[in-house]
Amino acid sequence: DGGITQSPKYLFRKEGQNVTLSCEQNLNHDAMYWYRQDPGQGLRLIYYSQIVNDFQKGDIAEGYSVSREKKESFPLTVTSAQKNPTAFYLCASSTDRGADTQYFGPGTRLTVL
Amino acid sequence: DQQVKQNSPSLSVQEGRISILNCDYTNSMFDYFLWYKKYPAEGPTFLISISSIKDKNEDGRFTVFLNKSAKHLSLHIVPSQPGDSAVYFCAASAYSGAGSYQLTFGKGTKLSVIP
Repeated sequence: DGGITQSPKYLFRKEGQNVTLSCEQNLNHDAMYWYRQDPGQGLRLIYYSQIVNDFQKGDIAEGYSVSREKKESFPLTVTSAQKNPTAFYLCASSTDRGADTQYFGPGTRLTVL
Repeated sequence: DQQVKQNSPSLSVQEGRISILNCDYTNSMFDYFLWYKKYPAEGPTFLISISSIKDKNEDGRFTVFLNKSAKHLSLHIVPSQPGDSAVYFCAASAYSGAGSYQLTFGKGTKLSVIP
């Protein structure tokens, strides 16, 4: 089955620690995205990548970093510089043929204690 | 400054009746619009989309209407079913340069379908 996987589903970390969230897709999509959702809020774009070894900052990139070494994988690192890291993180992917539908993974709930 | 607004945080509808979810946008560069359905602690699921060159798109019980002059779109669900109870997000796409498109999301409307 084609789809997007995110792991783990729930993640707990101590304040001051970096943490990496996994996102893998087997849809052969070129573009991948990371969003953050907070209660009562829409989804806000953190980073996106259109091709391997290339990525751009979204609206709220401060305190986050990404890499895109493989087409299938787009891991997100939440660094200690992120002031409010506790949130629901969503990964998405799409073809890179113009405006196209983004398909989402199941999300990772990060709680920083 | 919110470019995509869903002004109703919640909506309750009786089972079998029509649900109408509304969305307004301000950026005239948006040219593709989508609706997603989301359950708590899960990723959004794509429902239906519409291009700016159309004013209506229908898929089963779901119909999206686009009024470009008013910068308004709506999602109609007929008939509403209890399983439709979820948060619905409106999203709009615009070209953001260097060959990429970005989605801007509204804050969502929580739909409750009452049996």
